[in-house]
Amino acid sequence: NAGVTQTPKFQVLKTGQSMTLQCAQDMNHEYMSWYRQDPGMGLRLIHYSVGAGITDQGEVPNGYNVSRSTTEDFPLRLLSAAPSQTSVYFCASSYSGRGYLTDTQYFGPGTRLTVL
Amino acid sequence: GESVGLHLPTLSVQEGDNSIINCAYSNSASDYFIWYKQESGKGPQFIIDIRSNMDKRQGQRVTVLLNKTVKHLSLQIAATQPGDSAVYFCAESPGYSSASKIIFGSGTRLSIRP
Repeated sequence: NAGVTQTPKFQVLKTGQSMTLQCAQDMNHEYMSWYRQDPGMGLRLIHYSVGAGITDQGEVPNGYNVSRSTTEDFPLRLLSAAPSQTSVYFCASSYSGRGYLTDTQYFGPGTRLTVL
Repeated sequence: GESVGLHLPTLSVQEGDNSIINCAYSNSASDYFIWYKQESGKGPQFIIDIRSNMDKRQGQRVTVLLNKTVKHLSLQIAATQPGDSAVYFCAESPGYSSASKIIFGSGTRLSIRP
């Protein structure tokens, strides 16, 4: 298993540009989520999905869109990039997301995004 | 409002000693708590978790303690090793049925003195 993969690893955008961060998992997990991590801070939940076709907002959803057309993929779209979106973005997945004691959440390696 | 925070932003421990990382939470409805380890340039890695109906849970060299009375969570690492150097995050879920909304604290950096 490759686990959770993210592409690209690094990205530089200009203000106003749009792009999609890719996330894929091969563990047949129902639950997937996107977080952003700013320097010296914890992770903040952007959007999450409890299964194909179902998405919901997290703590900081503004400026981001998601969709979940398949179990494996959960892309994050930046509609019009702003400098405030400069951050490291992590995708995560787990079997159910319901917090069972054996339901470990696996994180991808992250995408470092800079918006100029 | 709801918050998950840490008492200390950095912790320095002698190699071989035990480490204790503390975390406070404010939402009494939180049902599920997790500790993550994040090494430089990597994503968070699950260490151990605990449900609100438990006071203590042990793993390999790690123990999580939950005190619901004072809304306090701690992670104990036994015989700290150089490989334990990382940032440690506590995280909470606001409710068992909403465990997908996992809220992270700001993290504690653990450094190991030789």
